[in-house]
Formats: sequence, C-alpha cells, structure tokens
Amino acid sequence: NAGVMQNPRHLVRRRGQEARLRCSPMKGHSHVYWYRQLPEEGLKFMVYLQKENIIDESGMPKERFSAEFPKEGPSILRIQQVVRGDSAAYFCASSPRDGNSPLHFGNGTRLTVT
Amino acid sequence: QKEVEQDPGPLSVPEGAIVSLNCTYSNSAFQYFMWYRQYSRKGPELLMYTYSSGNKEDGRFTAQVDKSSKYISLFIRDSQPSDSATYLCAMERVRGSQGNLIFGKGTKLSVKP
Repeated sequence: NAGVMQNPRHLVRRRGQEARLRCSPMKGHSHVYWYRQLPEEGLKFMVYLQKENIIDESGMPKERFSAEFPKEGPSILRIQQVVRGDSAAYFCASSPRDGNSPLHFGNGTRLTVT
Repeated sequence: QKEVEQDPGPLSVPEGAIVSLNCTYSNSAFQYFMWYRQYSRKGPELLMYTYSSGNKEDGRFTAQVDKSSKYISLFIRDSQPSDSATYLCAMERVRGSQGNLIFGKGTKLSVKP
C-alpha cells in the first residue's frame, strides 16, 4: 500500500521561475493538505483541498501561490515567480476523511531558489 | 505569545533512558493533540493522538494531556538509538478538522548507544 507520494524530491529554481510540486495521496484518500517547513521553523499549514475544491486556504500567501486537486491526477502546488524566501521543504498530507482521521505525510519536496 | 511552544533541544540521552518531551499551548479551544516523529529528510510520521486529558499508552510511548495547564507530554521508555529524530507536537486549530494543524518547532532527540 503506497504512501503519500511527492515529486520531485528536490527542485532547484532560479528567482522568477515557476515551481510545480506534485502530490499523489494514499489510495482511497480524498483529502489533501499542503504544509511548508522553513529552516528552523515548524510546519505551517497552507491549504486543504478535496477533489476539485479548495476547502481552506487560510495559510496560503495571497500572491504567487496556488493549489489544485483535479478530479483526475495528483494535487499540484504552484509557486509563480519564486523568490529566495520560498526555499523550504513542502509537505503534502492526505486523509480518507476529515474530522477524525490523522494525517499521513509524504517525504516532501525540497525547493531551493538560487 | 506563540500558540504552541516547544523546546527545540537538542536533547541527548543514553540508550535505555526515559525521555520526556513537552509542549505548552495558549489556545484553550484546542481539542486534539498529536505527536509526530520526523527523521532527517523524511516526512512526519504520526506516533500518538489524543482527544481528552489524561494518558494514552502505545508500547514504549505514553502521551499525556493536561488541558487545565495547557501542557502536553510524550514519554519514551527504554529509548533506543532508532528513536533519534525530531519530535513534533501538533494541535487542532479548527474544531472538527484534523487537517489544519498547528505544530511546535520540534525537539531534536539523540539517543546514544
């Protein structure tokens, strides 16, 4: 039973480029969450999605960041015009349903902006 | 005041020791409390989750919640070198949603053989 799959594991982008991070939830899971872990900081919630719907994006920066979870395919976290401050580990988690289900995390994508 | 405070350590103990990890929080509305373990370059792995005040035991791990003091603990008995990792406490931010969690910064634990 495959866990949460994230790719790429490492991503290097120059300032101003776009970064696309992908997440395939565990089989049977329809809820996806994105978190960001900055150096020396704890995990910070970014966004919660269900298929084709953004449920809670209270942790998303207002500009340059977007997320989607289409009916088919993985969830995508997109960062436009990256800046050095976007360098971080981005983790995706999934759960079968909200409320009483603990989150299962992937191993993250480490984004480095040069 | 931060919503969740966690001593970052690092904490170094000899193999076999009892380890105590702690977090304090300020929001009395938090209902669910979790402990995650994170190995280097890996994602967080859920160890324990509790809802009410009191103790919950799972093998060598015991989670303790004291809502009156806004204080949670994780105890590890007979610690092993394989327990060396960063331990994150997490709490539910939005009632009814375990997905929108607020995490402590993590305590780095090293168990020496």
